Amino acid sequence: QKEVEQNSGPLSVPEGAIASLNCTYSDRGSQSFFWYRQYSGKSPELIMFIYSNGDKEDGRFTAQLNKASQYVSLLIRDSQPSDSATYLCAVNPGGGTSYGKLTFGQGTILTVHP
Amino acid sequence: NAGVMQNPRHLVRRRGQEARLRCSPMKGHSHVYWYRQLPEEGLKFMVYLQKENIIDESGMPKERFSAEFPKEGPSILRIQQVVRGDSAAYFCASHRGALGEKLFFGSGTQLSVL
Repeated sequence: QKEVEQNSGPLSVPEGAIASLNCTYSDRGSQSFFWYRQYSGKSPELIMFIYSNGDKEDGRFTAQLNKASQYVSLLIRDSQPSDSATYLCAVNPGGGTSYGKLTFGQGTILTVHP
Repeated sequence: NAGVMQNPRHLVRRRGQEARLRCSPMKGHSHVYWYRQLPEEGLKFMVYLQKENIIDESGMPKERFSAEFPKEGPSILRIQQVVRGDSAAYFCASHRGALGEKLFFGSGTQLSVL
């Protein structure tokens, strides 16, 4: 079983729709969770992080965390063609682990078509 | 305010040669991480360094790979006797080391082994 697993893509949504990206993790003690966006040939860019159960909203993005189910999701409202990218879920196990040592999922490719 | 600087952007080596990848963290950042992204895979943690110290190298292959972050100058990821399987994008990231801080990634070095 992979440590961090993302729903298989690619995911294609029309412009203006809600894109839903999902991620599960195996280490129940994990403490912090991140969503990165990576355009083709570019570096990953942090778009959201979440530590507590529930929802966290930032503009068009909402991250949802359910530690009991070991599940993290990212919702993108009013999707735009510029949101087309690979979205990476990352987990920091915590427990004294360096904050920069992350375990990444394999990524979900999102395409927003006009 | 320069970001994380990596060079070269592209590096081509023949099998058996050495590859040296350089990373200058953001100003004020003393924590440096190296990640590798193989084709069709997610980012994998390799090593975590602070100035003059290797803190965590649990993700580094046991042979041929080494990393350093000297008191002066950039962090160096060195790969000796490269093989085709080393072809990947190598990303450096840095932060100051506090929870919730954004991990800034460099643009990466694309290593191609012929």
